[in-house]
Amino acid sequence: EAGVAQSPRYKIIEKRQSVAFWCNPISGHATLYWYQQILGQGPKLLIQFQNNGVVDDSQLPKDRFSAERLKGVDSTLKIQPAKLEDSAVYLCASSTHRDMRNTEAFFGQGTRLTVV
Amino acid sequence: AQTVTQSQPEMSVQEAETVTLSCTYDTSENNYYLFWYKQPPSRQMILVIRQEAYKQQNATENRFSVNFQKAAKSFSLKISDSQLGDTAMYFCAYRGGAQKLVFGQGTRLTINP
Repeated sequence: EAGVAQSPRYKIIEKRQSVAFWCNPISGHATLYWYQQILGQGPKLLIQFQNNGVVDDSQLPKDRFSAERLKGVDSTLKIQPAKLEDSAVYLCASSTHRDMRNTEAFFGQGTRLTVV
Repeated sequence: AQTVTQSQPEMSVQEAETVTLSCTYDTSENNYYLFWYKQPPSRQMILVIRQEAYKQQNATENRFSVNFQKAAKSFSLKISDSQLGDTAMYFCAYRGGAQKLVFGQGTRLTINP
């Protein structure tokens, strides 16, 4: 089965610019996660979707970050305007809905964002 | 809120040795799952092993095994006969009733030839 697809792989932008990341989860996976991973740290959950509804966005900086998952499939994460501290790898993951706790989350390869 | 703590930022062992990575977590839930993920330099996060909290038997997957101590809220990963390909970041993760997957800070493991 195809894995979680993310694009782009790399992005370099200047501070105050905007950027968008795209994620296509594994077919049939109802749960989708966006994580921010700063170099040398563990992934931090930004937002969790269940189909096209938001389950948890408590750590999403809503003044500059936004995310959507139209039709409960693909998702986009946007940053506007970007700050230097947003430099990180943005990981997308998905998992099935049924008995969610025991199923593993499958991860994409991530997008490395550098803000200069 | 659940938290996951990995107290070893870096570890290094010789090839073929056994290494144990530590993880502790904090939760008030009774039913949950614990995972160890591996992240090589390619950045792709890969599941290594999982443990169901209601099972007393420790999970094993080939050279990988866990020591799950529910009362102590401890979940360590043992890698036997370590190989060069085991070099990576290892993350302990918790998943409970809220379905949120919470990660620790990670341990950078280096296997030396």
